[in-house]
Amino acid sequence: ETGVTQTPRHLVMGMTNKKSLKCEQHLGHNAMYWYKQSAKKPLELMFVYSLEERVENNSVPSRFSPECPNSSHLFLHLHTLQPEDSALYLCASSQDDGRGSKAFFGQGTRLTVV
Amino acid sequence: GENVEQHPSTLSVQEGDSAVIKCTYSDSASNYFPWYKQELGKGPQLIIDIRSNVGEKKDQRIAVTLNKTAKHFSLHITETQPEDSAVYFCAARGSGSARQLTFGSGTQLTVLP
Repeated sequence: ETGVTQTPRHLVMGMTNKKSLKCEQHLGHNAMYWYKQSAKKPLELMFVYSLEERVENNSVPSRFSPECPNSSHLFLHLHTLQPEDSALYLCASSQDDGRGSKAFFGQGTRLTVV
Repeated sequence: GENVEQHPSTLSVQEGDSAVIKCTYSDSASNYFPWYKQELGKGPQLIIDIRSNVGEKKDQRIAVTLNKTAKHFSLHITETQPEDSAVYFCAARGSGSARQLTFGSGTQLTVLP
C-alpha cells in the first residue's frame, strides 16, 4: 500500500460517455500527477498540480479534464474518448520542495474505450 | 526536454544470478534518478533512488550506480529471486521542472527458477 488510492480499478466506457477517475493520497503531499501508461511506451505525464494549482499540462487533448479540489484529491474527467485512449491511468503524489522528491503511485485505473 | 533511454527491454536470468539494467539521460542538469518496479496489475513502486551528488547507493540486494560524466545510471540486483520478476522503470528529473520525471521504456525482468 503506497498511500495513494485510485478508483475505479477498471472502467469500460463508450465513446459518448462521460466518466471520472478519482485519486486520493494520504501522505500529506502537496503535489499530484496524472500519468498515462500504454503498452510498449514509457509513462507519459499528463498533468501536474502543485498546491492545488495546475502547473503543467503536457499537450493533452481537451477530452481529458483534470480537477484538484484540495491537496489530497485529484480527478480526471473523461468525455468523448477515442479507442486509442484505452490505457492504464496512474495517479502519483510527492512533496514538491522545489528540488524534486520521491513520487508514489497508485494502483492505476485500467480504462477501455469501446 | 529530458530524454531517457533504457536497455534491455527484456532480461531473463537464472535464480541466484545478478541482473543489470542500464539507462542513459540527455539533460546534464538532471539531479534525481529513481527506479520503479511494476508488478502485473499494480502501479509502479519506488525501490531505490539516487541524487546527482552520490555515485552509488545500495539497499540489501539492490544497488544503483550513477556516472554523471557519461550521463548513465544502472540498477543492479544480486541473488535474484522469482519474486523479482516484474517490469523495472528508470526515470530522471530534468532541469526544466523540479517536479517532472521522464521515464525509460521499461525492462521486463524474468527470473527463472
